[in-house]
Amino acid sequence: NAGVTQTPKFQVLKTGQSMTLQCAQDMNHNSMYWYRQDPGMGLRLIYYSASEGTTDKGEVPNGYNVSRLNKREFSLRLESAAPSQTSVYFCASKRGETGYEQYFGPGTRLTVT
Amino acid sequence: GENVEQHPSTLSVQEGDSAVIKCTYSDSASNYFPWYKQELGKRPQLIIDIRSNVGEKKDQRIAVTLNKTAKHFSLHITETQPEDSAVYFCAASKGSNSGYALNFGKGTSLLVTP
Repeated sequence: NAGVTQTPKFQVLKTGQSMTLQCAQDMNHNSMYWYRQDPGMGLRLIYYSASEGTTDKGEVPNGYNVSRLNKREFSLRLESAAPSQTSVYFCASKRGETGYEQYFGPGTRLTVT
Repeated sequence: GENVEQHPSTLSVQEGDSAVIKCTYSDSASNYFPWYKQELGKRPQLIIDIRSNVGEKKDQRIAVTLNKTAKHFSLHITETQPEDSAVYFCAASKGSNSGYALNFGKGTSLLVTP
């Protein structure tokens, strides 16, 4: 099992450009999450999908959209990138309601100039 | 929303000593408290967790204690080794009430010197 995978690993965007961060998991998990990590700020929740077909806002959703394409895949889209979105983005997944543990992907390091 | 505070932000200990990191949370509905270790450039990895119906949990050199009344929980690492050097994050979750999403503390950078 590859676990949680993310693409790309690194990306540089200019202000105003758009891009989609991809996340996939092969553990048959129901719930998936997007976090961003900034120096000294810990990880903050952007959006989550408790199950296929549902998405909900987290703590810092402004400037982002998400799509739960199917049970395996959960993408994060930046429609018009801003320098404030420079960050490391982590996707995570969690199995069904009996489990709490979240498994993280390797992260995408995004720089917006 | 839930607010998780973590102290200290940096911690330096000598190899073999113990390290303690403390977290407080604000929402009494939180019922799951994991601790993650993150090495430089790597993903966060779960090292231990505790649910609200348990006061203490131990796994070899690592232990977590929870005081629900005071709304705080702590990570204890005994007999520290240089490979324990990393950033440690505590988190809290309200379970199904919030999609099992995690609210993280800001992290503690632990340095274990030989």
